[in-house]
Amino acid sequence: GQQVMQIPQYQHVQEGEDFTTYCNSSTTLSNIQWYKQRPGGHPVFLIQLVKSGEVKKQKRLTFQFGEAKKNSSLHITATQTTDVGTYFCAAYNNAGNMLTFGGGTRLMVKP
Amino acid sequence: AAGVIQSPRHLIKEKRETATLKCYPIPRHDTVYWYQQGPGQDPQFLISFYEKMQSDKGSIPDRFSAQQFSDYHSELNMSSLELGDSALYFCASSLRQGAGNTIYFGEGSWLTVV
Repeated sequence: GQQVMQIPQYQHVQEGEDFTTYCNSSTTLSNIQWYKQRPGGHPVFLIQLVKSGEVKKQKRLTFQFGEAKKNSSLHITATQTTDVGTYFCAAYNNAGNMLTFGGGTRLMVKP
Repeated sequence: AAGVIQSPRHLIKEKRETATLKCYPIPRHDTVYWYQQGPGQDPQFLISFYEKMQSDKGSIPDRFSAQQFSDYHSELNMSSLELGDSALYFCASSLRQGAGNTIYFGEGSWLTVV
């Protein structure tokens, strides 16, 4: 199935600092999705990127899809304690019936 | 809005016992996915169904089976449970399968095998 690698695995930041997580694939992706999972919770869909070089923003979150559609990033500006959780990128296989998650980046924010 | 409903939320079983998890997708969603998430791990795809037919299979052990019923709900049956089966099991649903569809996760079923 589709494999996506995500770094870093963990990130500790001070509240107010920025945070970025990166997702990489060895193959071209048709699209990429991002999810957030709070501690003890379930993955919640954040956004989907489809076009090469696409950039989307949701308040303090900026999502980018690489020009070659092999990598993506999520950047959070001025983190808040409510941003705590694990952020996953995910990609579908070619048949579109299996969504594979990256390893996730666990974000911890110190107040 | 209605979400994906999973039951039971918590389950404790002994080794070699059998467990069944149930999933009720969002109304009108025809595709169901099962994921297993161990502590500190990312969700691992087990199996998916589209229109009551198995669509794809991931890292699902032979001891596990699943099906989707005529009302689109799905059940994951796990037999000969092992300690390593202890995990959070998510069901997710989407409207149609295909890359680009958003899948919505249930809150998960915690299985502890002792």
